[in-house]
Amino acid sequence: SQELEQSPQSLIVQEGKNLTINCTSSKTLYGLYWYKQKYGEGLIFLMMLQKGGEEKSHEKITAKLDEKKQQSSLHITASQPSHAGIYLCGAVANAGGTSYGKLTFGQGTILTVHP
Amino acid sequence: NAGVTQTPKFQVLKTGQSMTLQCAQDMNHEYMSWYRQDPGMGLRLIHYSVGAGITDQGEVPNGYNVSRSTTEDFPLRLLSAAPSQTSVYFCASSYSPGYQNTEAFFGQGTRLTVV
Repeated sequence: SQELEQSPQSLIVQEGKNLTINCTSSKTLYGLYWYKQKYGEGLIFLMMLQKGGEEKSHEKITAKLDEKKQQSSLHITASQPSHAGIYLCGAVANAGGTSYGKLTFGQGTILTVHP
Repeated sequence: NAGVTQTPKFQVLKTGQSMTLQCAQDMNHEYMSWYRQDPGMGLRLIHYSVGAGITDQGEVPNGYNVSRSTTEDFPLRLLSAAPSQTSVYFCASSYSPGYQNTEAFFGQGTRLTVV
């Protein structure tokens, strides 16, 4: 099965600072998702990357997928308390066969932003 | 448009009891999945389905059964609840995971406690 490793596991930053969360796989990623979760709540879709070298931005959050499609980074610029939560990366294991649709996730990164 | 609906939101079970967590989606999605979320473990895939009548195991299937008789519904059954199954359970659905801009939609979660 595909394993996704997220780093760091937790992160504490001061408001206004930039930060980066990484998601690494030992296998090629066919579709990389980033979600955010507030404690005790559901998951909020941030963005999805599919092509090697692809980069997407939403407000102050930018995600990139490397050329080899085995690593993704999520970068937050000028962090705010509203960015606090758990960030989860997810990926599809295979591009076809019976495993298609098998969306698995990393262990999450807990982000705390101090005002 | 209701999206993904999970019931119940909260449940307390005694060890050995059985129950079914319900998940329904009204988006005509082929792919549905069940995850459990434990502290520090991210989302772990229990079972998933690529269409009506087709299911497969995820990372942590033991102690859980699923079936997919219709496109809309994907119930998760705990046959004999154990304290180790205390967790928050999420159901998700999507069209085709891994295709560009295909968001996986999540329910609000079921918080299950087994005593």
